[in-house]
Amino acid sequence: QVTLRESGPALVKPTQTLTLTCTFSGFSLSTSGMCVSWVRQPPGKALEWLALIDWDDDKYYSTSLKTRLTISKDTSKNQVVLTMTNMDPVDTATYYCARMRGGYYHFDYWGQGTLVTVSS
Amino acid sequence: EIVLTQSPGTLSLSPGERATLSCRASQSVSSSYLAWYQQKPGQAPRLLIYGASSRATGIPDRFSGSGSGTDFTLTISRLEPEDFAVYYCQQYGSSPPFTFGQGTKLEIK
Repeated sequence: QVTLRESGPALVKPTQTLTLTCTFSGFSLSTSGMCVSWVRQPPGKALEWLALIDWDDDKYYSTSLKTRLTISKDTSKNQVVLTMTNMDPVDTATYYCARMRGGYYHFDYWGQGTLVTVSS
Repeated sequence: EIVLTQSPGTLSLSPGERATLSCRASQSVSSSYLAWYQQKPGQAPRLLIYGASSRATGIPDRFSGSGSGTDFTLTISRLEPEDFAVYYCQQYGSSPPFTFGQGTKLEIK
């Protein structure tokens, strides 16, 4: 059974760095082809893809946000971490992590999401 | 960057009716790289269709996907009360790898 769960602060101040952790089970990021991505959704708005890390430690980022994002993994802990620097109120959103399997190009399992509010 | 435009923005239909949702890409997308998701309020997106026309595990056969190139369609043959939600298309491309459409809200008429 595949599960993912996001964790991190519910509230961050402008200019601060956000660190989110995705803890997953039911698969391993050391398995060839496995990937974990981060996707966010501002309240009432559409989904926005942020970053992806694969089993081989290759990393991919949103063009518009890549200077602010860092994705990393800890395979032994079954965790993927996303950091986003210089947070702004427009970054207020629900942040999801999701799994993608090799050979496929969609997200088959999602976490429940964590709402991050950026406010002073 | 490939932009996905979904239409209509809102679709008002009654249970039992047929729903047709459109997703148009700014450049050609391989059919293998087009997916559809359903999202209900307060919930994470749920994968419905991948590879443009393959249903995900557990998805009822009233949901079907079609299309190629720049035009893709999600069809719900007979709407059930639980189908009223927001639907997103998603594509895999080069840089950035993934983009989503802006969503179509399917509401009860």
